[in-house]
Amino acid sequence: DAGVTQSPTHLIKTRGQQVTLRCSPISGHKSVSWYQQVLGQGPQFIFQYYEKEERGRGNFPDRFSARQFPNYSSELNVNALLLGDSALYLCASSRDRQDTQYFGPGTRLTVL
Amino acid sequence: EDQVTQSPEALRLQEGESSSLNCSYTVSGLRGLFWYRQDPGKGPEFLFTLYSAGEEKEKERLKATLTKKESFLHITAPKPEDSATYLCAVQAMDSSYKLIFGSGTRLLVRP
Repeated sequence: DAGVTQSPTHLIKTRGQQVTLRCSPISGHKSVSWYQQVLGQGPQFIFQYYEKEERGRGNFPDRFSARQFPNYSSELNVNALLLGDSALYLCASSRDRQDTQYFGPGTRLTVL
Repeated sequence: EDQVTQSPEALRLQEGESSSLNCSYTVSGLRGLFWYRQDPGKGPEFLFTLYSAGEEKEKERLKATLTKKESFLHITAPKPEDSATYLCAVQAMDSSYKLIFGSGTRLLVRP
């Protein structure tokens, strides 16, 4: 079975722009979570979606938003980009909310 | 506040030199503790889940153990390909199901 896939792999944006990151979960997985990983630190929780509804939100500003589609894929949107948004954005999927989360390869976002 | 602390931050071993990585946690009710391996520029790769104190899991040269306050990842006779960052995360017994990660231990195994 294919693992979690994310696109694009890399992205370069300038301050103030908007970005959309995409994630396809493992087949049969209904829950998708998003994490931000700054260099040298562990991933920080941003959102969890289950059955197309937001079920959890981390301590991130309203510039961050997400959604989940009927096929369980997900998008993460970030508006008004800041230099501090530069990070590796990770998507993880799980069969149900409480199950083991499996991570994708990530999207490297650089904000100039 | 739920928190995870990993030590050491970095560890250098000679090939074959066994050692242990530590993960200390504070959580209001533990649902599960997870170990992941992360190679540079890649996403974390799942290794183990531990649910209760006294539980142990093994995979090749790795063995994970859990107590009420900490977890250890024991690496027996490591090889250079074991070089990576090892991340520990906890999932609390609340409604969020989010993972709370430590900062990781960077392991370098020299031939």
